[in-house]
Amino acid sequence: ETGVTQSPTHLIKTRGQQVTLRCSSQSGHNTVSWYQQALGQGPQFIFQYYREEENGRGNFPPRFSGLQFPNYSSELNVNALELDDSALYLCASSLGAENTGELFFGEGSRLTVL
Amino acid sequence: GQNIDQPTEMTATEGAIVQINCTYQTSGFNGLFWYQQHAGEAPTFLSYNVLDGLEEKGRFSSFLSRSKGYSYLLLKELQMKDSASYLCAVLDSNYQLIWGAGTKLIIKP
Repeated sequence: ETGVTQSPTHLIKTRGQQVTLRCSSQSGHNTVSWYQQALGQGPQFIFQYYREEENGRGNFPPRFSGLQFPNYSSELNVNALELDDSALYLCASSLGAENTGELFFGEGSRLTVL
Repeated sequence: GQNIDQPTEMTATEGAIVQINCTYQTSGFNGLFWYQQHAGEAPTFLSYNVLDGLEEKGRFSSFLSRSKGYSYLLLKELQMKDSASYLCAVLDSNYQLIWGAGTKLIIKP
């Protein structure tokens, strides 16, 4: 059973650029959720995908977008990067859309925007 | 608005017991989670409470009172490896997880 993997682990971008982060969910899981975690803070929910459809979104602007593929892997895209987008981006996979089970997190992608 | 409150930092001694509190105000409630996060690592699941009462799992226990909007995580026989941040998260009426900022637990020998 493979765990959740994310790529890249670290990256540096400049303001205005675009970034794509990738996540492979744990084997057998059909739900992927994305979180932004600033230093010293708890994760903030960005959105969730269940069976390739977005089924929940947090308070993030439209320049944060994503998708889920038929194999349940997922991408997070952020356009027009801002300095405040610097954070750890966590992907979590689970079984079922209602998150009543354990979330399995990847190690995260640490994004620095200069 | 939705709010999860937990202490920013706590210090305890190796071998002792520590209780980390969490209070919440959310739009609906479908359960409360505790996660452990070591510095630079991903959060890992500790417990899930949906009914009032105490859930015990080895050295860790979690308590929930829905009427009071309150939970605590109890860690017994503390070990140095328990030094980490402990995150409280509530599943709201939309089945979205609302997270607290985390409690950084420092264990001293």
